Amino acid sequence: DGGITQSPKYLFRKEGQNVTLSCEQNLNHDAMYWYRQDPGQGLRLIYYSQIVNDFQKGDIAEGYSVSREKKESFPLTVTSAQKNPTAFYLCASSIFSDWAIYGYTFGSGTRLTVV
Amino acid sequence: SQQGEEDPQALSIQEGENATMNCSYKTSINNLQWYRQNSGRGLVHLILIRSNEREKHSGRLRVTLDTSKKSSSLLITASRAADTASYFCATDSNSGGSRLTFGEGTQLTVNP
Repeated sequence: DGGITQSPKYLFRKEGQNVTLSCEQNLNHDAMYWYRQDPGQGLRLIYYSQIVNDFQKGDIAEGYSVSREKKESFPLTVTSAQKNPTAFYLCASSIFSDWAIYGYTFGSGTRLTVV
Repeated sequence: SQQGEEDPQALSIQEGENATMNCSYKTSINNLQWYRQNSGRGLVHLILIRSNEREKHSGRLRVTLDTSKKSSSLLITASRAADTASYFCATDSNSGGSRLTFGEGTQLTVNP
């Protein structure tokens, strides 16, 4: 069954800690994306990657970091520099050349809470 | 700034009625997409309409696009309780490559 998997589903972070959210896809998609969603709001783009070993900042990249060492994986690290990290984080992927036909495939999300 | 803005923010209807949600955007686009999100879950792609199309259908979904007004509407006919979810429009800009910008969504509640 092809899909995109985010883990963990729930994550708790102490003040000052870095945490890493996992995103893995077996769809052979070229492009991967990280979005942040706050309660009752839309999605804001954090980082995206269209090819292995390359990624670009989105609209709210400060306090976050990513890597794209493998096509299947696009982990997101929420660093201590992110002052308000409590949110729902969504990972998505797309076929780069056909994304405009099929749209994005989303994972089921990770809910991060600062305690 | 938000590229897509949905209207209304919340909509409550009875089962069997039609639901119409609107989306406005600001810059030129290649295409516009609609997604659905059940509470606490990821988004699911529903339908895509290209900038040179005016109307598209998929099952009980009908999407229109008016590029002169920079607006789109999503119509769900004969709604069901299972249609209860948030609905988002997403746009790409002509220069944006493969990145989408999402609106803030319309929360649809269909009462049985």
